[in-house]
Amino acid sequence: QQQVKQSPQSLIVQKGGIPIINCAYENTAFDYFPWYQQFPGKGPALLIAIRPDVSEKKEGRFTISFNKSAKQFSLHIMDSQPGDSATYFCAASMADSWGKLQFGAGTQVVVTP
Amino acid sequence: AAGVIQSPRHLIKEKRETATLKCYPIPRHDTVYWYQQGPGQDPQFLISFYEKMQSDKGSIPDRFSAQQFSDYHSELNMSSLELGDSALYFCASSLGGGANNEQFFGPGTRLTVL
Repeated sequence: QQQVKQSPQSLIVQKGGIPIINCAYENTAFDYFPWYQQFPGKGPALLIAIRPDVSEKKEGRFTISFNKSAKQFSLHIMDSQPGDSATYFCAASMADSWGKLQFGAGTQVVVTP
Repeated sequence: AAGVIQSPRHLIKEKRETATLKCYPIPRHDTVYWYQQGPGQDPQFLISFYEKMQSDKGSIPDRFSAQQFSDYHSELNMSSLELGDSALYFCASSLGGGANNEQFFGPGTRLTVL
């Protein structure tokens, strides 16, 4: 059973658009929420991460919004570029889990020129 | 910068054979994680080690075993391979065990069981 639910499954946007990927969780013990970017045949690479005491975090063109009461968080990719075309995974882990990441199902993002 | 090294990158085995996957963490990283990613699936946590001791265990079949050695590299041993074991196997490493420590993923080993 997926502990972190991610949507949509896929997304196509034009260059400059803002893909938005949403994730939801039930387990309130989760306290670390990273986003990973994965290109075909490569390992996931950490993009940005957030903790529940922060409602928003920006790093470059990537922004995480976090709603603790709704148990939801989302990734926004500003001014998207064709090079951003990849699969994006949200994930969550608990303080007492030694870093075990529970991944969402992934979102395939395609940015057209 | 040095990254996580995995070997081999590709492996083809027959059903019921055994396979050994190796992971060399980033220098000074003391924690290693193993994940299995099926086609079109998200990575599933298998097992982790901190300072050569198993720190957590996920959905790892009993046919699989793993260990972390004194130089912090880790090996995942898979026996009685089944067709369903075909997947990408990722190793990740971090400095310090526990949540909130960034995990750096290796390029993965693609295992194909025929």
